[in-house]
Order: sequence, then structure tokens, then C-alpha cells
Amino acid sequence: QLQLQESGPGLVKPSETLSLTCTVSGGSISSTTYYWGWIRQPPGKGLEWIGTIYYSGSTYYNPSLKSRVTISVDTSKNQFSLKLSSVTAADTALYYCARHLLGVAGNWFDPWGQGTLVTVSS
Amino acid sequence: QSALTQPASVSGSPGQSITISCTGTSSDVGGYNYVSWYQQHPGKAPKLMIYEVSNRPSGVSNRFSGSKSGNAASLTISGLQAEDEADYYCSSYTSGSTVVFGGGTKLTVL
Repeated sequence: QLQLQESGPGLVKPSETLSLTCTVSGGSISSTTYYWGWIRQPPGKGLEWIGTIYYSGSTYYNPSLKSRVTISVDTSKNQFSLKLSSVTAADTALYYCARHLLGVAGNWFDPWGQGTLVTVSS
Repeated sequence: QSALTQPASVSGSPGQSITISCTGTSSDVGGYNYVSWYQQHPGKAPKLMIYEVSNRPSGVSNRFSGSKSGNAASLTISGLQAEDEADYYCSSYTSGSTVVFGGGTKLTVL
């Protein structure tokens, strides 16, 4: 059974870079079918897609975050990572990673990690 | 890209049916049959309920169904149960290989 687990600092200072890692278990991140995505949810608010990566390194980003986001993949560790630069309080959110079927084959996220709360505060 | 439009809240009594709408544009919902729906209970991660407009993943109750007409998609829950009380989000693939979510709908089972 595929499982995803987010990890990283729970507190980041304003203007610094948020860094999170998603570890995939029970399956290979090098799947030729699936992509791997990041989604966030500010407290009490809705879901926002951040971006998605394919095992080859191809990336797709939310246009509203594109200038600050970098998603990378490490197939040797079965992990993919998120970096969000120049964070502000508005970036405080629960960050989820998920397997993503994207493009001509569809659009859905399943399964999801449990999420990790990142607070931006000095 | 703008978020898809969902009603903030809907409610229904046990046994009834409810429908949640998800309105987009011809660049997202109307342009692709790639709408998915998620259920989120408080403190839990979202769960995929419907994919490609109307398909149910294995294990999801057949009380959940999806449809689309033009630029609007819908999620219908029949035979409402207390356990269906949750937040529901739609999502669509968009031009440019991006993804957009709806603002979410809180379902209350009266």
C-alpha cells in the first residue's frame, strides 16, 4: 500500500526558505504513470495546488507561486522535495504531498500524506 | 488562474440527496473531463471520491456520483448519512498543465 509522509521544520522565519520532503513508501517514485504533487491548506481555508513533478524532473507549478517554488526529486531515496522562498505569514499552512495523475491521463491526487503544519513567524 | 466556484455550504437530512456544484471556465472544467472531488473530515487529509468527472475509486460508496455540463461539474450524494458531514473540494486540470481547486463546500447533515 502506497504511503507518503511529509517532513521538515514546523517553524520558518519570514523572508527565509521553507523546505519540506515527502518520502514515498510501498511503491516507486520512478513510476512512469504517476506524478508527485504538493498541495497546501492555510488554517481554516481551502486547498491550493503548489506544484507537481515527474520522476524525470519535469515540473509544473501554480502560476501564482511559480517565482518562489522549486520542486525536486531524488529517485535514489524515493523522495521529492519542496522549497518555497521569501516566505511570509501568508504561507502558513498545512502542507500535503500526494501522488498525482496529471495531464492527458487525468487529474487526481491519491493517496495523500497526513500533512505537516508550517508556521511562518519570527 | 482563479479558483473554481463552489457554494460555501450545503445541508441535508439523513436519507436525502444533495448536490454540490463546481463552476469553472472553458479553460478548465469545460475544456477537460478531468474533474476530481475530495472529501475532507476535520483534522484529516483529503480523500479522493470521484475522478475524471464521474468515476469512483475502489472502496468509495456508490452513493457518491459526479457529472458535468458545460463549465460546471457536480457531486451528488444520495442517501445522506451522518458520516458524510465533511468539507468537499473539486479540482480540475487546466490549460498549461496546471491544476486548480474549488474553494470548498461544507456539508452539514441535519
